[in-house]
Amino acid sequence: GAVVSQHPSWVICKSGTSVKIECRSLDFQATTMFWYRQFPKQSLMLMATSNEGSKATYEQGVEKDKFLINHASLTLSTLTVTSAHPEDSSFYICSASRQTSGSPLHFGNGTRLTVT
Amino acid sequence: GESVGLHLPTLSVQEGDNSIINCAYSNSASDYFIWYKQESGKGPQFIIDIRSNMDKRQGQRVTVLLNKTVKHLSLQIAATQPGDSAVYFCAENIDNNDMRFGAGTRLTVKP
Repeated sequence: GAVVSQHPSWVICKSGTSVKIECRSLDFQATTMFWYRQFPKQSLMLMATSNEGSKATYEQGVEKDKFLINHASLTLSTLTVTSAHPEDSSFYICSASRQTSGSPLHFGNGTRLTVT
Repeated sequence: GESVGLHLPTLSVQEGDNSIINCAYSNSASDYFIWYKQESGKGPQFIIDIRSNMDKRQGQRVTVLLNKTVKHLSLQIAATQPGDSAVYFCAENIDNNDMRFGAGTRLTVKP
């Protein structure tokens, strides 16, 4: 069964509003979670690394003030897309691993965000 | 910068045939590789992994081959079935589960 749960699976919002996406590890503690963005027919692009109890690490070109990440517990990370615009419409996917390194990432089923 | 890439963006095979999906990587420091399958509208699903101290690893109907000399990774699917139709990504572990994905190959299985 799924070990990483992501919610919601899809969301439609109006331009200028904010949207929060949750990522939960269901049966293990994840000190690190990862957020990816995927545009149609493209690969997954790492946006940021979410660290429990500390600030997230963002990839180059990803605006940290626009994509707010909170990793307040060992089983929950949230991504908030602030002041969303149509170009933010994408498929957002989170992942987590049971171990710190060298083990498969488990992915959530993604969130389809559509900004109108 | 160094990245993972794929030779073939699309692959169409007949049901029952074997499929081979290739991947080239350029980060010589990577020591762990994974193949993922992604169906439409879903997150990537783990298929098989391999560490750099191995050349080959087999799973159920799938085999991953690693050639470190030429930095090449392949996924072989035996007796391909319609349910195997999906996009397949290779990924390399850079550091502490920082996973970088290749461009992906869309596999289509014809009945």
